[in-house]
Amino acid sequence: EPEVTQTPSHQVTQMGQEVILRCVPISNHLYFYWYRQILGQKVEFLVSFYNNEISEKSEIFDDQFSVERPDGSNFTLKIRSTKLEDSAMYFCASSDLAGGLRDTQYFGPGTRLTVL
Amino acid sequence: GEDVEQSLFLSVREGDSSVINCTYTDSSSTYLYWYKQEPGAGLQLLTYIFSNMDMKQDQRLTVLLNKKDKHLSLRIADTQTGDSAIYFCAESPPRGNTPLVFGKGTRLSVIA
Repeated sequence: EPEVTQTPSHQVTQMGQEVILRCVPISNHLYFYWYRQILGQKVEFLVSFYNNEISEKSEIFDDQFSVERPDGSNFTLKIRSTKLEDSAMYFCASSDLAGGLRDTQYFGPGTRLTVL
Repeated sequence: GEDVEQSLFLSVREGDSSVINCTYTDSSSTYLYWYKQEPGAGLQLLTYIFSNMDMKQDQRLTVLLNKKDKHLSLRIADTQTGDSAIYFCAESPPRGNTPLVFGKGTRLSVIA
């Protein structure tokens, strides 16, 4: 069964460093999403991406964040200068276009980002 | 804005039924989902219900939707230790391909 994969599973970085989190969405999906979950809190939406551009973004997704689809299979989230409060589990998700259940979002296993 | 609320903890004995409750605010939501998160793992889609349905059954899982009260529940029959996980309720606004709004998750502990 196709699945969303994410690497690395755990990333430890120093405050102020740049990190890139990588995702490989399900191959025939067209929408891609990043969410994050700070320990003990809700899963929060960051950004969605379609047709090589950002479709929607939340208030959390400020200028420190960027997303890219560098090739036909990867989808990345970059945090330019990490802060302590960026420590969280970051989930990638993908979906097909809307229509019935086709836009159901399937999630990857997450990358745990720890900023020291 | 949209909001989803869930109780945080539930503890049941193995073999009993578990009922996890969720309330949501957006009456125009089209789909409501239950995701399961096992320790250290990602979000696994467990089941869903379309907003024009009252009930959906899928093996040991029963989803009940009360649109009037904006209340969703997930019943797990014959709960097993492998069901121990965090269960997230999520709503999907009607526009399609829109961000899901999640609750905080209910941690289900199954006691052998």
